[in-house]
Amino acid sequence: EVQLLESGRGLVQPGGSLRLSCTASGFTFNTFWMSWVRQAPGKGLEWVANIKRDGSEKYYVDSVKGRFTISRDNAKNSLFLQMNSLRAEDTAVYYCARGSMGSGTLDQWGRGALVTVSS
Amino acid sequence: QSVLTQPPSVSAAPGQKVTISCSGNSSNIGNNYVSWYQQLPGAAPKVLIYDNDRRPSGIPDRFSGSKAGTSATLAITGLQTGDEADYYCGTWDRSLSAGVFGGGTKLTVL
Repeated sequence: EVQLLESGRGLVQPGGSLRLSCTASGFTFNTFWMSWVRQAPGKGLEWVANIKRDGSEKYYVDSVKGRFTISRDNAKNSLFLQMNSLRAEDTAVYYCARGSMGSGTLDQWGRGALVTVSS
Repeated sequence: QSVLTQPPSVSAAPGQKVTISCSGNSSNIGNNYVSWYQQLPGAAPKVLIYDNDRRPSGIPDRFSGSKAGTSATLAITGLQTGDEADYYCGTWDRSLSAGVFGGGTKLTVL
């Protein structure tokens, strides 16, 4: 059974940093693109970033470029999102998803991790 | 303002059919596959349709997708109360080099 489990949720002050992790199981992690998608409270889905199987290509939504970094550790079946210079508008549930919207679909999703940016 | 345009809400009676539209342009829908996602209340999204019109295993054939030019459509027949959810279209935008979603459509089964 495919499982994606996000961790690292929390409350952080504006300007602060937080690192989300996503641990994958039930599939061969290094053969899939991986993505992060977020959803602000009461709002729709927003694609955040994705990363190629070997980490050689990364793409970001404009609003997080220069502040967020997506990475992966294939040896540990893990995906990461390092978030710096956080803003109130980054408050959202962050979902880890298998796949890429550029080369297919997001076919498996984690349960999400809530990130709250507030003073 | 989302890159892809969906109606905010649709409604229909149980057993009826409903369609949800998703409008884009040549940079996104016009040149890439479209997926549709269902998000039940309090749950993570789940893919219903991928590659415009393909269903993952386990998705009933009451759900179907189509694409024509720069627009896509999700159709749901034989509506059930359990279909009440938010539905999102999504694809890749070549100009933005980014994934894009529609704003979401809330389905109410009256």
